[in-house]
Amino acid sequence: DVKVTQSSRYLVKRTGEKVFLECVQDMDHENMFWYRQDPGLGLRLIYFSYDVKMKEKGDIPEGYSVSREKKERFSLILESASTNQTSMYLCASSLKGYGANVLTFGAGSRLTVL
Amino acid sequence: QKEVEQNSGPLSVPEGAIASLNCTYSDRVSQSFFWYRQYSGKSPELIMSIYSNGDKEDGRFTAQLNKASQYVSLLIRDSQPSDSATYLCAVNSYGNNRLAFGKGNQVVVIP
Repeated sequence: DVKVTQSSRYLVKRTGEKVFLECVQDMDHENMFWYRQDPGLGLRLIYFSYDVKMKEKGDIPEGYSVSREKKERFSLILESASTNQTSMYLCASSLKGYGANVLTFGAGSRLTVL
Repeated sequence: QKEVEQNSGPLSVPEGAIASLNCTYSDRVSQSFFWYRQYSGKSPELIMSIYSNGDKEDGRFTAQLNKASQYVSLLIRDSQPSDSATYLCAVNSYGNNRLAFGKGNQVVVIP
């Protein structure tokens, strides 16, 4: 069973704090993704990575950065959290090539920024 | 930027009926099409994929693809209360790592 584990299920942070969201997958997937999901806006891609130390911007990268130092781990960083970053954050992973579109999602991290 | 549209609001269907969900996409070169199901409070999970024009059946689910008209649909036959969820349409192009998701359609199956 492919497992994608997100370190925190619920977080509450203050405006201006630095926030780290961690994601680990245990199936040797090449691709990893960070999405945010908001009511009425659906799933929006923040960043993705197709290899260690590689990253590409998604549709809404502003205010976020990512790190992928190891194949199994993909971190999302909010350098200075703002209230409009309150959201559900979903990490996903997939194989490369033909399986790239078969995403396995983590359980999500619900972030509230006060 | 690819756009994936899922119109209409929540769909309520009686148990045993057919639920029909539609999705249109803007990118003509899209080649891979997916339906993800998301239960309330849970993360999405893949339930169907389709790559060629026509129908693809998997149990009570049928995905239909019409590339000329740029739409993909999902039929749920003999709907069960356990099918109550939000269904997300997702589209991609060949060789691209990025899926474009629609906003989802909520289905409520009434016992």
